[in-house]
Amino acid sequence: EPEVTQTPSHQVTQMGQEVILRCVPISNHLYFYWYRQILGQKVEFLVSFYNNEISEKSEIFDDQFSVERPDGSNFTLKIRSTKLEDSAMYFCASTLTGRDIQYFGAGTRLSVL
Amino acid sequence: AQKVTQAQTEISVVEKEDVTLDCVYETRDTTYYLFWYKQPPSGELVFLIRRNSFDEQNEISGRYSWNFQKSTSSFNFTITASQVVDSAVYFCALSDWGGGADGLTFGKGTHLIIQP
Repeated sequence: EPEVTQTPSHQVTQMGQEVILRCVPISNHLYFYWYRQILGQKVEFLVSFYNNEISEKSEIFDDQFSVERPDGSNFTLKIRSTKLEDSAMYFCASTLTGRDIQYFGAGTRLSVL
Repeated sequence: AQKVTQAQTEISVVEKEDVTLDCVYETRDTTYYLFWYKQPPSGELVFLIRRNSFDEQNEISGRYSWNFQKSTSSFNFTITASQVVDSAVYFCALSDWGGGADGLTFGKGTHLIIQP
């Protein structure tokens, strides 16, 4: 069964460094999403992406975040200058249409030291 | 603005007991979707169910059942004859029907502990 793949599973970085989290959505999907879950808290929507542009974004998704679909298979989330409070699990999801069920990848745990 | 409230932070039951997880939502939309996701200790998010706001019929899938009541804005989840493998954090979520790439609004989750 097709699945969303995220790499790496765990990323450790120093405060102030740039990180790129990678996601390979399900191959024929057109809509892509990033969510964040700070440890022990709820899952929060960051951004959605369709047709090579941001479709929706939350107030969490400020100028330090960016998303990109650099090729036909990857979908990335870049954090320009990481802060301690960026430490969280980041989940990627994809759908064929905007109304489909969002299936999530296994997540990338980001630890900012 | 949308909001999902899961008032039960943690529930602990003994195996084989039935348990109900509560979910109350707020939305100004007349059409929307409701979801339940499971997050086991390994951390991934596992989709369990989606209901649309048109359909208030209860749903049963094996030991799982869901009760959607629009009048009380609730979408509760019951596990019958619970098992240790059901131990996880369960999230209720809401999205609108718009058809665009809308994000899900999650509740804070209920940590369910099933003791052997």
